[in-house]
Amino acid sequence: DTAVSQTPKYLVTQMGNDKSIKCEQNLGHDTMYWYKQDSKKFLKIMFSYNNKELIINETVPNRFSPKSPDKAHLNLHINSLELGDSAVYFCASSPSIADGYTFGSGTRLTVV
Amino acid sequence: AQSVTQLDSHVSVSEGTPVLLRCNYSSSYSPSLFWYVQHPNKGLQLLLKYTSAATLVKGINGFEAEFKKSETSFHLTKPSAHMSDAAEYFCVVSEPSNTGKLIFGQGTTLQVKP
Repeated sequence: DTAVSQTPKYLVTQMGNDKSIKCEQNLGHDTMYWYKQDSKKFLKIMFSYNNKELIINETVPNRFSPKSPDKAHLNLHINSLELGDSAVYFCASSPSIADGYTFGSGTRLTVV
Repeated sequence: AQSVTQLDSHVSVSEGTPVLLRCNYSSSYSPSLFWYVQHPNKGLQLLLKYTSAATLVKGINGFEAEFKKSETSFHLTKPSAHMSDAAEYFCVVSEPSNTGKLIFGQGTTLQVKP
């Protein structure tokens, strides 16, 4: 199936741990994104990569580090997790601005 | 700076009646506008998009939206609601750059009553 796939779907971890979320797209898109959806369902961009190059880095703590080994993958690594990091993280990809995004199904991160 | 305001945080309709979800945008440029839907515990799905072609845009599942520049609006409509339409709906504007950044509205929860 052509899609944007994220793993894991659910992630429960303790404060202070380091965790990674993986994202892969097989749509041939050049641009990939990470968005965070908070408990009020508000979505905000975190990072964007175009052909492995970082093009958007919003005001995100440097505990969050994206890595794009190739244009089909954009992983998100989070160090020293905090309670406030609990959210749903969505990966997305797009071929161009005008086409909109294809979203992954999300990763629900719960920090306890 | 671009922004979108969804005028209703919650809309409740009866099955078979029309749906209207309101969205106003603010943009210094001719914007690209989108509506996304998020069903409970699911990802976001693109319903429709406006990219300076026809002002009346038809999307999936019977939804459509009309771009009105004079009113800076991009309201989403559907003639007859179905129970499966119950979800969260997001109005979205793109930034006029080559970054592809999307700016989301706060969302509108659509409830469909039997």
